[in-house]
Amino acid sequence: DAGVTQSPTHLIKTRGQQVTLRCSPKSGHDTVSWYQQALGQGPQFIFQYYEEEERQRGNFPDRFSGHQFPNYSSELNVNALLLGDSALYLCASSLGVGGSEKLFFGSGTQLSVL
Amino acid sequence: QKEVEQNSGPLSVPEGAIASLNCTYSDRGSQSFFWYRQYSGKSPELIMFIYSNGDKEDGRFTAQLNKASQYVSLLIRDSQPSDSATYLCAVNTGGGNKLTFGTGTQLKVEL
Repeated sequence: DAGVTQSPTHLIKTRGQQVTLRCSPKSGHDTVSWYQQALGQGPQFIFQYYEEEERQRGNFPDRFSGHQFPNYSSELNVNALLLGDSALYLCASSLGVGGSEKLFFGSGTQLSVL
Repeated sequence: QKEVEQNSGPLSVPEGAIASLNCTYSDRGSQSFFWYRQYSGKSPELIMFIYSNGDKEDGRFTAQLNKASQYVSLLIRDSQPSDSATYLCAVNTGGGNKLTFGTGTQLKVEL
């Protein structure tokens, strides 16, 4: 039973570029949430997707956007990258929008912006 | 004031001792509370969740919740070197799966 898978594992970009991160939820899960974790900090909620729509959003600018596909996988897009976007980006999946106690995290994508 | 506050540590305890990790939160409407363990370079792993006031035990772990004091704690009995990690407290304040995390407490269990 595959868990939450994220790709790529590591990514290096330069300021101003755009990046796309990908996530496949755990088998049987239909909801994907994205978090940003800066070094030495706790994860910060970016947004949540359910039924291919953004259901909740944290305090992140519009440069951060996402998408969910019919197979429940999801993408996180970040435009006009800033140095401060360097972080570990975590995808978490669950069944339905209220199952926080069954939220499973992927291993993350480490993004470095130079 | 941060929404979820934790002492960053490091908290050092000898092997076999009880480790006590604390967390306070600001939103009185919070309904569910979580403790995650995160090893260096790895993703967070859920170890306990609690919804009601009082204690909840699972093996060597006990979560304690006091909503009146807006306080949640995690006790780890018989601490082992493998428990050395960062422990993240998380609170669900907005429903759905929007968790607000603290900055984490680094625990070191020494031989």
